[in-house]
Amino acid sequence: AQSVTQPDIHITVSEGASLELRCNYSYGATPYLFWYVQSPGQGLQLLLKYFSGDTLVQGIKGFEAEFKRSQSSFNLRKPSVHWSDAAEYFCAVGRDSGYALNFGKGTSLLVTP
Amino acid sequence: DTGVSQDPRHKITKRGQNVTFRCDPISEHNRLYWYRQTLGQGPEFLTYFQNEAQLEKSRLLSDRFSAERPKGSFSTLEIQRTEQGDSAMYLCASSYGQGEGSNGYTFGSGTRLTVV
Repeated sequence: AQSVTQPDIHITVSEGASLELRCNYSYGATPYLFWYVQSPGQGLQLLLKYFSGDTLVQGIKGFEAEFKRSQSSFNLRKPSVHWSDAAEYFCAVGRDSGYALNFGKGTSLLVTP
Repeated sequence: DTGVSQDPRHKITKRGQNVTFRCDPISEHNRLYWYRQTLGQGPEFLTYFQNEAQLEKSRLLSDRFSAERPKGSFSTLEIQRTEQGDSAMYLCASSYGQGEGSNGYTFGSGTRLTVV
């Protein structure tokens, strides 16, 4: 079964600094990969998704992610973090874009002034 | 497009009582999903519907849980004889299509259940 590991439970970055959140997946075939963001008390908002094609995916709010099959990774990046980016970030994998997703446990991002 | 709506936003119930949650998906979405999220964890899949058919259920969905989507539009999730371990955020999501044409899942804001 597909699974997702987010190695970092908490990450703290300074405002304006670059950000990389790690995600490793386990799945035999080409996975469908997603990054979601969740603000306190809110539902999840889709940042970006990868189904196939170009391995560098652009998303909303200036985020991007790169699919690396050789490393089974789908890391999320942003060149310059804003205070409003502080939230919980979840990586998810599905065996098909229309089926259930398996989520990682999330990475909590704290942005300092 | 008003997004995915969930009702109620919060529910406090006594152990042993039954509760029912409602989810209204985006109108043109044919797939609807229920997830459960506990503190410090990612969402866990419970079940999903394609139109009115319930196509998959997680092992997390014990016999005290039942979900319906009678006309392929809104869905309800009922928990009977609630237990304290049922306390969680229950999230609903919807999507349309599959493959690269899918627009991804849209999640509602969730229903937070507290069992006392």
